[in-house]
Amino acid sequence: EIVMTQSPATLSVSPGERATLSCRASQSVTINLAWYQQKPGQAPRLLIYGASTRATGIPARFSGSGSGTEFTLTISSLQSEDFAVYYCQQYNNWPPLTFGGGTKVEIK
Amino acid sequence: EVQLVESGGGLVQPGGSLRLSCAASGFAFSTSYMNWVRQAPGKGLEWVANIKQDGSEKYYVDSVKGRFTISRDNAKSSLYLQMNSLRAEDTAVYYCARGGTIVMVRGVVTPLFDDWGQGTLVTVSS
Repeated sequence: EIVMTQSPATLSVSPGERATLSCRASQSVTINLAWYQQKPGQAPRLLIYGASTRATGIPARFSGSGSGTEFTLTISSLQSEDFAVYYCQQYNNWPPLTFGGGTKVEIK
Repeated sequence: EVQLVESGGGLVQPGGSLRLSCAASGFAFSTSYMNWVRQAPGKGLEWVANIKQDGSEKYYVDSVKGRFTISRDNAKSSLYLQMNSLRAEDTAVYYCARGGTIVMVRGVVTPLFDDWGQGTLVTVSS
């Protein structure tokens, strides 16, 4: 099973600032990595797949990068609606499909 | 508009059973890979199982193998999860998720989680 590790667990950012979230895989997942956003009380939403491809309707301020075992989700200028928990997920080697533990982006 | 509505959750004793349902609308259910994903209270996401469009292939996380069964009825646009021998650690919100985006990974058809329902809470406790 591929273990996904996200850091930091919590990120405090001011509105308008850049947020950088990290995700590490226990073995290479090439670019078969997705990012999801989950707001309190809501279901998750797909943001990025293929490590860097934005899903339909996702704003350009969200960008993904990386390959192999190291990945980054960047939110270029945080908006109020972006404060949420973000999860990475690998789909290179499954079953099982595995998620990271999440990074909570909170208002500083 | 894609809609996924889960039902069937509730309180059950350890060792008991529950059957979750997910009613789908707004998309071609019969051509969509479908998944169950769960989230324990205050915890992260865990993929549970998925099922191919025609039901011919089913995959499970190890912790539920032999206890949970995923199935679908394309005529009713519905997805199911039969959960037996429930344990306290199965307590979670269970989400139904559509595998709308399909990627080929080393020749293997792999679904992502494009659309999600609002979830149904399963509590296993005596």
